[in-house]
Amino acid sequence: GAVVSQHPSWVICKSGTSVKIECRSLDFQATTMFWYRQFPKQSLMLMATSNEGSKATYEQGVEKDKFLINHASLTLSTLTVTSAHPEDSSFYICSASVLYEQYFGPGTRLTVT
Amino acid sequence: GENVEQHPSTLSVQEGDSAVIKCTYSDSASNYFPWYKQELGKGPQLIIDIRSNVGEKKDQRIAVTLNKTAKHFSLHITETQPEDSAVYFCAASYDSGGGADGLTFGKGTHLIIQP
Repeated sequence: GAVVSQHPSWVICKSGTSVKIECRSLDFQATTMFWYRQFPKQSLMLMATSNEGSKATYEQGVEKDKFLINHASLTLSTLTVTSAHPEDSSFYICSASVLYEQYFGPGTRLTVT
Repeated sequence: GENVEQHPSTLSVQEGDSAVIKCTYSDSASNYFPWYKQELGKGPQLIIDIRSNVGEKKDQRIAVTLNKTAKHFSLHITETQPEDSAVYFCAASYDSGGGADGLTFGKGTHLIIQP
């Protein structure tokens, strides 16, 4: 149980374009979903917290107009990277929580050229 | 905000020996401490967690201890096996009872099991 999927697993896009990443909890309903970013050989950094039907809460330093989060249901959250730049290239990982436990998706590797 | 320090950054042990990874946290309000295992190119996998009302928790070869007073917690892996090789992250968060906050992670420990 507690399986979280992400789609796509990797994506390459051109600078200036937008990319959407989906996060789904497959066998449970998540009260909250989180989005993290991980640069190579570094730790995970929380970007935003998302509750179904509510606006996402962004961490300090994360541009909410650049990283759009939509939490349409208890099993689906999406992250859209708008006007992507090479410095946005990273590993984006979502997690879905059941009470206090967080289960992570497999991650999405974004490369902006 | 919360700050989590993790040591060591790299740990090499002989197969069959034990491995210990230590973390400290700064925010005394934190009450949930999970440990994750991450393999290359994959998302983190929850391996064990502990809440602040418990001092120790064990699951087969893996155990976690928590010292609230000193604000540190540790991961213990016994009888290490080659498949234990990975990067391990500790994390901390606050759970108000209505759901947890986002996790603050340590910088990770690259565990290498030497055959």
